[in-house]
Amino acid sequence: EPEVTQTPSHQVTQMGQEVILRCVPISNHLYFYWYRQILGQKVEFLVSFYNNEISEKSEIFDDQFSVERPDGSNFTLKIRSTKLEDSAMYFCASTVNTEAFFGQGTRLTVV
Amino acid sequence: DAKTTQPTSMDCAEGRAANLPCNHSTISGNEYVYWYRQIHSQGPQYIIHGLKNNETNEMASLIITEDRKSSTLILPHATLRDTAVYYCIAYNDYKLSFGAGTTVTVRA
Repeated sequence: EPEVTQTPSHQVTQMGQEVILRCVPISNHLYFYWYRQILGQKVEFLVSFYNNEISEKSEIFDDQFSVERPDGSNFTLKIRSTKLEDSAMYFCASTVNTEAFFGQGTRLTVV
Repeated sequence: DAKTTQPTSMDCAEGRAANLPCNHSTISGNEYVYWYRQIHSQGPQYIIHGLKNNETNEMASLIITEDRKSSTLILPHATLRDTAVYYCIAYNDYKLSFGAGTTVTVRA
Protein backbone atom coordinates (compact mmCIF):
# COMPACT_ATOMS: atom_id res chain seq x y z
CA GLU A 1 0.00 0.00 0.00
CA PRO A 2 1.42 3.41 -0.93
CA GLU A 3 2.37 5.66 1.96
CA VAL A 4 3.76 9.08 2.75
CA THR A 5 7.32 8.84 4.01
CA GLN A 6 8.97 11.42 6.26
CA THR A 7 12.59 11.77 7.25
CA PRO A 8 14.13 12.05 9.72
CA SER A 9 11.85 10.58 12.36
CA HIS A 10 13.61 12.65 15.03
CA GLN A 11 15.61 15.84 14.71
CA VAL A 12 17.33 17.75 17.47
CA THR A 13 18.65 21.17 16.61
CA GLN A 14 20.03 24.19 18.38
CA MET A 15 18.02 27.37 18.52
CA GLY A 16 18.79 29.58 15.57
CA GLN A 17 19.82 26.76 13.30
CA GLU A 18 18.13 25.91 10.03
CA VAL A 19 16.34 22.61 9.62
CA ILE A 20 14.87 20.87 6.61
CA LEU A 21 12.18 18.28 7.06
CA ARG A 22 11.67 15.92 4.17
CA CYS A 23 8.64 14.15 2.82
CA VAL A 24 7.97 11.82 -0.07
CA PRO A 25 4.26 12.06 -0.89
CA ILE A 26 2.32 9.32 -2.65
CA SER A 27 3.37 9.40 -6.28
CA ASN A 28 0.15 10.28 -8.09
CA HIS A 29 -1.04 12.81 -5.52
CA LEU A 30 -1.44 16.45 -6.45
CA TYR A 31 -1.96 18.32 -3.18
CA PHE A 32 0.66 18.43 -0.44
CA TYR A 33 0.49 19.71 3.10
CA TRP A 34 2.46 20.35 6.23
CA TYR A 35 0.87 20.23 9.67
CA ARG A 36 2.37 20.47 13.09
CA GLN A 37 1.34 19.29 16.55
CA ILE A 38 2.86 20.74 19.65
CA LEU A 39 2.91 18.20 22.47
CA GLY A 40 -0.55 17.88 24.00
CA GLN A 41 -2.17 20.27 21.53
CA LYS A 42 -4.24 20.05 18.34
CA VAL A 43 -2.96 19.21 14.89
CA GLU A 44 -2.46 22.59 13.21
CA PHE A 45 -2.45 23.36 9.50
CA LEU A 46 0.68 25.11 8.25
CA VAL A 47 0.60 25.18 4.46
CA SER A 48 -0.86 23.57 1.36
CA PHE A 49 0.93 23.24 -1.96
CA TYR A 50 -0.49 22.59 -5.40
CA ASN A 51 0.85 22.96 -8.91
CA ASN A 52 4.27 23.98 -7.61
CA GLU A 53 3.08 26.85 -5.50
CA ILE A 54 1.60 27.57 -2.10
CA SER A 55 -2.19 27.51 -2.30
CA GLU A 56 -2.88 28.43 1.30
CA LYS A 57 -0.92 29.09 4.47
CA SER A 58 -1.79 29.70 8.09
CA GLU A 59 -0.67 32.52 10.39
CA ILE A 60 1.90 30.14 11.84
CA PHE A 61 3.64 29.87 8.47
CA ASP A 62 5.61 33.10 8.67
CA ASP A 63 8.77 34.19 6.86
CA GLN A 64 10.83 31.67 8.80
CA PHE A 65 9.08 28.84 6.99
CA SER A 66 9.32 27.81 3.38
CA VAL A 67 8.32 24.80 1.32
CA GLU A 68 9.73 23.37 -1.82
CA ARG A 69 9.19 20.52 -4.21
CA PRO A 70 12.70 20.34 -5.64
CA ASP A 71 12.06 17.32 -7.84
CA GLY A 72 9.19 15.06 -8.78
CA SER A 73 9.14 13.19 -5.52
CA ASN A 74 10.31 15.21 -2.51
CA PHE A 75 8.42 17.88 -0.62
CA THR A 76 10.38 19.79 1.99
CA LEU A 77 9.67 22.15 4.86
CA LYS A 78 12.48 24.50 5.84
CA ILE A 79 12.64 26.47 9.05
CA ARG A 80 15.33 29.11 8.67
CA SER A 81 16.11 30.04 12.25
CA THR A 82 14.51 27.68 14.70
CA LYS A 83 13.00 28.86 17.96
CA LEU A 84 12.23 26.86 21.07
CA GLU A 85 8.51 27.09 20.28
CA ASP A 86 9.06 25.32 16.96
CA SER A 87 9.51 22.08 18.90
CA ALA A 88 6.67 19.84 17.71
CA MET A 89 5.70 16.87 15.57
CA TYR A 90 5.57 17.88 11.93
CA PHE A 91 3.33 15.88 9.64
CA CYS A 92 3.36 15.83 5.88
CA ALA A 93 0.23 14.80 3.98
CA SER A 94 -0.82 14.34 0.39
CA THR A 95 -4.04 13.75 -1.48
CA VAL A 96 -5.45 13.36 -4.94
CA ASN A 97 -8.77 15.00 -4.19
CA THR A 98 -10.49 13.19 -1.34
CA GLU A 99 -8.90 11.57 1.65
CA ALA A 100 -5.50 12.82 2.76
CA PHE A 101 -2.74 10.42 3.71
CA PHE A 102 -0.36 11.44 6.46
CA GLY A 103 3.19 10.46 7.15
CA GLN A 104 4.35 9.27 10.54
CA GLY A 105 5.86 12.62 11.34
CA THR A 106 9.18 14.17 12.30
CA ARG A 107 9.67 15.02 15.94
CA LEU A 108 11.60 18.29 16.02
CA THR A 109 13.23 19.31 19.26
CA VAL A 110 14.84 22.73 19.47
CA VAL A 111 17.28 23.14 22.35
CA ASP B 1 -15.23 24.92 7.16
CA ALA B 2 -18.20 24.24 9.38
CA LYS B 3 -17.52 23.92 13.10
CA THR B 4 -17.95 20.43 14.55
CA THR B 5 -18.67 19.46 18.14
CA GLN B 6 -17.61 16.15 19.65
CA PRO B 7 -17.59 14.76 23.18
CA THR B 8 -14.22 15.12 24.83
CA SER B 9 -13.87 11.46 25.68
CA MET B 10 -15.64 8.12 25.79
CA ASP B 11 -14.94 4.59 26.88
CA CYS B 12 -15.86 1.45 25.02
CA ALA B 13 -15.70 -2.24 25.88
CA GLU B 14 -13.56 -4.43 23.69
CA GLY B 15 -15.63 -6.35 21.17
CA ARG B 16 -18.58 -4.00 21.42
CA ALA B 17 -19.63 -1.36 18.92
CA ALA B 18 -18.35 2.16 19.53
CA ASN B 19 -20.70 4.95 18.44
CA LEU B 20 -18.99 8.33 18.14
CA PRO B 21 -21.30 11.31 17.70
CA CYS B 22 -20.51 14.58 15.94
CA ASN B 23 -22.58 17.72 15.56
CA HIS B 24 -22.08 19.94 12.52
CA SER B 25 -25.22 22.05 12.50
CA THR B 26 -23.73 24.77 10.26
CA ILE B 27 -22.49 22.43 7.57
CA SER B 28 -23.03 23.71 4.06
CA GLY B 29 -24.40 21.70 1.17
CA ASN B 30 -21.05 21.00 -0.46
CA GLU B 31 -19.11 20.14 2.68
CA TYR B 32 -18.26 16.52 3.28
CA VAL B 33 -18.01 14.90 6.71
CA TYR B 34 -14.62 13.27 7.21
CA TRP B 35 -13.41 11.12 10.08
CA TYR B 36 -9.78 10.65 10.98
CA ARG B 37 -8.09 9.15 13.99
CA GLN B 38 -4.71 9.61 15.63
CA ILE B 39 -3.21 6.78 17.57
CA HIS B 40 -0.82 8.14 20.20
CA SER B 41 1.45 10.61 18.36
CA GLN B 42 1.29 8.94 14.96
CA GLY B 43 0.11 10.73 11.85
CA PRO B 44 -3.66 11.09 11.48
CA GLN B 45 -5.26 8.17 9.71
CA TYR B 46 -8.21 8.49 7.34
CA ILE B 47 -11.23 6.40 8.35
CA ILE B 48 -14.22 7.30 6.20
CA HIS B 49 -16.11 10.21 4.64
CA GLY B 50 -19.56 10.98 3.29
CA LEU B 51 -21.78 13.72 1.95
CA LYS B 52 -25.39 12.67 2.42
CA ASN B 53 -25.63 8.92 2.26
CA ASN B 54 -24.51 6.48 4.88
CA GLU B 55 -21.16 4.92 4.10
CA THR B 56 -19.40 1.74 5.14
CA ASN B 57 -15.90 0.47 4.60
CA GLU B 58 -13.65 -2.11 6.17
CA MET B 59 -12.90 0.13 9.14
CA ALA B 60 -16.20 1.74 10.07
CA SER B 61 -19.66 2.95 9.16
CA LEU B 62 -20.76 6.55 8.89
CA ILE B 63 -24.36 7.48 9.56
CA ILE B 64 -25.36 11.02 8.51
CA THR B 65 -28.73 12.40 9.55
CA GLU B 66 -31.11 13.45 6.83
CA ASP B 67 -30.69 17.15 7.68
CA ARG B 68 -26.89 16.61 7.73
CA LYS B 69 -26.56 18.44 11.03
CA SER B 70 -25.01 15.48 12.78
CA SER B 71 -23.34 12.18 12.13
CA THR B 72 -22.19 9.07 13.95
CA LEU B 73 -19.09 7.03 13.34
CA ILE B 74 -19.55 3.38 14.22
CA LEU B 75 -16.67 1.05 14.93
CA PRO B 76 -18.53 -2.27 14.80
CA HIS B 77 -16.24 -4.38 16.98
CA ALA B 78 -13.83 -2.20 18.90
CA THR B 79 -10.41 -3.60 19.73
CA LEU B 80 -7.71 -2.30 22.03
CA ARG B 81 -5.90 -1.01 18.95
CA ASP B 82 -8.80 1.34 18.24
CA THR B 83 -7.84 3.42 21.27
CA ALA B 84 -7.14 6.82 19.71
CA VAL B 85 -8.32 10.39 19.28
CA TYR B 86 -11.09 10.52 16.67
CA TYR B 87 -11.65 13.68 14.66
CA CYS B 88 -14.82 14.66 12.84
CA ILE B 89 -14.14 17.30 10.20
CA ALA B 90 -16.50 19.06 7.80
CA TYR B 91 -14.73 20.53 4.82
CA ASN B 92 -14.57 20.96 1.07
CA ASP B 93 -11.50 23.07 0.38
CA TYR B 94 -8.66 20.55 0.45
CA LYS B 95 -7.55 21.73 3.89
CA LEU B 96 -8.32 19.77 7.01
CA SER B 97 -8.91 21.72 10.22
CA PHE B 98 -8.53 19.48 13.26
CA GLY B 99 -10.36 20.18 16.48
CA ALA B 100 -9.74 18.51 19.81
CA GLY B 101 -11.57 15.33 18.77
CA THR B 102 -12.90 12.56 20.99
CA THR B 103 -10.45 10.49 22.97
CA VAL B 104 -11.75 6.93 22.74
CA THR B 105 -10.42 4.38 25.19
CA VAL B 106 -11.23 0.76 24.49
CA ARG B 107 -11.09 -1.33 27.65
CA ALA B 108 -10.64 -5.08 27.91
